[in-house]
Amino acid sequence: QQPVQSPQAVILREGEDAVINCSSSKALYSVHWYRQKHGEAPVFLMILLKGGEQKGHEKISASFNEKKQQSSLYLTASQLSYSGTYFCGTPSGGSNYKLTFGKGTLLTVNP
Amino acid sequence: DGGITQSPKYLFRKEGQNVTLSCEQNLNHDAMYWYRQDPGQGLRLIYYSQIVNDFQKGDIAEGYSVSREKKESFPLTVTSAQKNPTAFYLCASSIDEVRASDTQYFGPGTRLTVL
Repeated sequence: QQPVQSPQAVILREGEDAVINCSSSKALYSVHWYRQKHGEAPVFLMILLKGGEQKGHEKISASFNEKKQQSSLYLTASQLSYSGTYFCGTPSGGSNYKLTFGKGTLLTVNP
Repeated sequence: DGGITQSPKYLFRKEGQNVTLSCEQNLNHDAMYWYRQDPGQGLRLIYYSQIVNDFQKGDIAEGYSVSREKKESFPLTVTSAQKNPTAFYLCASSIDEVRASDTQYFGPGTRLTVL
């Protein structure tokens, strides 16, 4: 089942913070976060594991809500380079290999 | 340098022709994947392969075929049966299972346009 991302788009000024959410109808085993710039491949940012452990980007963090049905990605003191579309991917289909991705959140950071 | 290569970056074909997209990785990853990306649709899984000589259908496999004869290579053929083949195609790979703690790494993509 495809996770739902919110908001669909957000515009920031450089230095401001942002939160992007990824929601599922079932408890999430892990959440994989990527950022994609226009015309380029998605770039891995971080994994949030079911125990709350995080692996990846130093300046980006994430968390689960209490029921582990929603993950939030926190971007603090945003930089111009943070602009792009953010995707969350969650394990799905009973397979240990499949990720199902949300439709993305477009983040624009202006000077 | 280790990574995933896809070629060509842009590909044009006439309607009704089959076309094969290349994906090669030198990361020594066991698993490989093909995704299709359309505007506003995110990434949709076409096929994936856990090991050599084995592959499974993803969510939108109709009109596509794959092979996995070598660990490093996972070519995708877009057949004439695919009704709307124009899209951005992304190949990815992972060391092992992504459910727990591994993740997928993406190639640069091939933009296919069918005229």
